[in-house]
Amino acid sequence: ETGVTQSPTHLIKTRGQQVTLRCSSQSGHNTVSWYQQALGQGPQFIFQYYREEENGRGNFPPRFSGLQFPNYSSELNVNALELDDSALYLCASSLGVGASYNEQFFGPGTRLTVL
Amino acid sequence: AQSVTQLDSQVPVFEEAPVELRCNYSSSVSVYLFWYVQYPNQGLQLLLKYLSGSTLVKGINGFEAEFNKSQTSFHLRKPSVHISDTAEYFCAAYAGGTSYGKLTFGQGTILTVHP
Repeated sequence: ETGVTQSPTHLIKTRGQQVTLRCSSQSGHNTVSWYQQALGQGPQFIFQYYREEENGRGNFPPRFSGLQFPNYSSELNVNALELDDSALYLCASSLGVGASYNEQFFGPGTRLTVL
Repeated sequence: AQSVTQLDSQVPVFEEAPVELRCNYSSSVSVYLFWYVQYPNQGLQLLLKYLSGSTLVKGINGFEAEFNKSQTSFHLRKPSVHISDTAEYFCAAYAGGTSYGKLTFGQGTILTVHP
């Protein structure tokens, strides 16, 4: 069974640029959630995708957007990067939505640095 | 709004000593609770979860937690720690209903086990 994978592992961008982060969900999982973890903080929920549709969004501006593909892999796109976007971005997959399915399996994360 | 508070940002302890990491939550609806561990430069690994039933939950690596509804707490305990338990620990809550897949995390507790 393959776990959640994310690419790239590290990324350096400059302010104003755009970035795309990728996530492959665990086998059999149809739900992907994205989190932002700033240094010294707990993860903050960005949004969730369930069967290719956005299924909930946290308090992040529209320049954070996402996609989920038919194979349930996912992308997180961030436009007009700001210095405060520097963080570890975590992807998590789960079997579905709802409490019984809400054991989320996390990938290793992508470390984004904005200069 | 749901919130999770971890009462200690850092907990130093000697090897083979017991440890308790404290977590309080606030929620107006039924809540489901989780503890995750994060080793340096890695993603999050689930230690244990409370969805319903027995209030004492046992997890991996000898950890356990007790759900206390009256005190809105979900403290994590281990009777005897090892050097390898050194990591950051996160308490998280899922409120169900319209919260979709949103896990709300605490700020984290850094557990340092000294020889």
